[in-house]
Amino acid sequence: EAGVTQFPSHSVIEKGQTVTLRCDPISGHDNLYWYRRVMGKEIKFLLHFVKESKQDESGMPNNRFLAERTGGTYSTLKVQPAELEDSGVYFCASSQDTARGLTQYFGPGTRLTVL
Amino acid sequence: QKEVEQNSGPLSVPEGAIASLNCTYSDRVSQSFFWYRQYSGKSPELIMSIYSNGDKEDGRFTAQLNKASQYVSLLIRDSQPSDSATYLCAVRGYNFNKFYFGSGTKLNVKP
Repeated sequence: EAGVTQFPSHSVIEKGQTVTLRCDPISGHDNLYWYRRVMGKEIKFLLHFVKESKQDESGMPNNRFLAERTGGTYSTLKVQPAELEDSGVYFCASSQDTARGLTQYFGPGTRLTVL
Repeated sequence: QKEVEQNSGPLSVPEGAIASLNCTYSDRVSQSFFWYRQYSGKSPELIMSIYSNGDKEDGRFTAQLNKASQYVSLLIRDSQPSDSATYLCAVRGYNFNKFYFGSGTKLNVKP
């Protein structure tokens, strides 16, 4: 079974540019999460999709970040315009459901560097 | 106050010893607790999950949970150099949507 995949693995952009990150969850997983790890800090929750609906986006830093999950399959996270403080590793995770017994499986992450 | 606290380490143990990793959390209503292992440049990989007070054993790994003390630990018996990684404690609270992560403890197992 394929795991969570993310593209690209690395992205280097200049301040003010736009970047779009993609996440493909494990097939059949309705729940998709985005997290971010800034250097030296802990992994922090950004938002949660259930199928195509945003269940919780309380962790999104500001309105420069836009996440979508059209059709309830893959998801994209767009940063526009990117700022220096957006640099970090963006992880995507998926789970079958939010019942207590099931966990989140993480993708390899996208390392974003904003210059 | 951070939701999840871990000692950043590094924690160094000799091969064959027991490694003890600790984690405390602030939300008393937290329901589920997870230990992830992360090798450098890789994604977090689930090691153990625990939901009830007490111990849970899986091979060389034992997770311990004490909800009264808001404390979770991971013991690794017969530590191997391949266990060298950063161990992340994650807590899922009353809101099942979110995991709160600690900053991770770096473990070095010396041959």
